[in-house]
Amino acid sequence: GQQLNQSPQSMFIQEGEDVSMNCTSSSIFNTWLWYKQDPGEGPVLLIALYKAGELTSNGRLTAQFGITRKDSFLNISASIPSDVGIYFCAGQPSGYYGGSQGNLIFGKGTKLSVKP
Amino acid sequence: KAGVTQTPRYLIKTRGQQVTLSCSPISGHRSVSWYQQTPGQGLQFLFEYFSETQRNKGNFPGRFSGRQFSNSRSEMNVSTLELGDSALYLCASYRTPQETQYFGPGTRLLVL
Repeated sequence: GQQLNQSPQSMFIQEGEDVSMNCTSSSIFNTWLWYKQDPGEGPVLLIALYKAGELTSNGRLTAQFGITRKDSFLNISASIPSDVGIYFCAGQPSGYYGGSQGNLIFGKGTKLSVKP
Repeated sequence: KAGVTQTPRYLIKTRGQQVTLSCSPISGHRSVSWYQQTPGQGLQFLFEYFSETQRNKGNFPGRFSGRQFSNSRSEMNVSTLELGDSALYLCASYRTPQETQYFGPGTRLLVL
């Protein structure tokens, strides 16, 4: 089935550093979403992207929908301790019935931890 | 506005038993999707409901089933539980199938 390759799998951050992560796919996606999940909670939507080339910001977070529609990246600027958690990309594959957001394909996640 | 609520939050069952999980969507949302999250497979789509109709189903065996009621609340059922069914089951709600979905906190199921 369709898969999203998310990288890196994990990274350590120091307060104030910028962070980047990305997702790629072999097939075209209509929508890219970025979620953050804290322990014991469900994923929380950070940014939604609906058009190829779209660049969207949400505070210190910036995400882009790749021109080829096969990739997306998320940047976090000037990281703070509460940024730790697991970040997931998710996409809605092209040609999906009814244009529904319901059947999302998720990446395996990028775990952000604080540098010891 | 209250978020998506899922009950119970934690559940322990033994192999062969069945389980029913419940999801109450955000008020005004008519669509509900269910996902299974495991360390190995990540988040995988189970089913999607809109106005009491199942719109889509993921690649899971027939032991996994669901339904949606007229008040948009949804339940999912897993029969003949297997050890591999241990997971966090997440429900997401959205106003219509074309709008972005919001997740509940999940039900953590442990099968012994």
